[in-house]
Amino acid sequence: GDSVTQMEGPVTLSEEAFLTINCTYTATGYPSLFWYVQYPGEGLQLLLKATKADDKGSNKGFEATYRKETTSFHLEKGSVQVSDSAVYFCALSDRGSGTYKYIFGTGTRLKVLA
Amino acid sequence: SQTIHQWPATLVQPVGSPLSLECTVEGTSNPNLYWYRQAAGRGLQLLFYSVGIGQISSEVPQNLSASRPQDRQFILSSKKLLLSDSGFYLCAWSVGERGGYTFGSGTRLTVV
Repeated sequence: GDSVTQMEGPVTLSEEAFLTINCTYTATGYPSLFWYVQYPGEGLQLLLKATKADDKGSNKGFEATYRKETTSFHLEKGSVQVSDSAVYFCALSDRGSGTYKYIFGTGTRLKVLA
Repeated sequence: SQTIHQWPATLVQPVGSPLSLECTVEGTSNPNLYWYRQAAGRGLQLLFYSVGIGQISSEVPQNLSASRPQDRQFILSSKKLLLSDSGFYLCAWSVGERGGYTFGSGTRLTVV
């Protein structure tokens, strides 16, 4: 079945460092891909998405490109801030049976130090 | 605009007690609704989803159940809680494959 694999955390960076969080997927069709962010004690918020190959999703300085050839959707940010400290989840949509179930990775915790 | 409400925010319940968590959506019709659980330090586990009133699909066998009595209402229940039911419960809705989920703010359940 479809699956999402994320790099294990935690990832600890200094403020203004470059961020990459790796995400790869397996899917039988052509899923849409998403990154969600979860701040402490809160629900998940959609950060960005890409719906077809070579699409680039971007939001709040974060970017991710849908790479069909490498089945990847890595999250990047050029300069992280302390406020970016959170858990990041990669996800894909599963169109099976029209239910649009989303399959999530296990999450990567990011800690940014001042 | 669409909003999703989930309550309560926190809950402490003794083992063997019943559970009822409620989720309601506003500003949309016929959404797909989902219940997820997030155990401490772990990823998201899909528990139930619903594509319409009275239609419930279970992803993981357990002592929890779900119901959808109205189009925009989704309820998670248990007759007798177990210690292993502790976790962070998230309700979500979607209206299509490409839009992504919108999550509620979650309920932190501690079974003691």
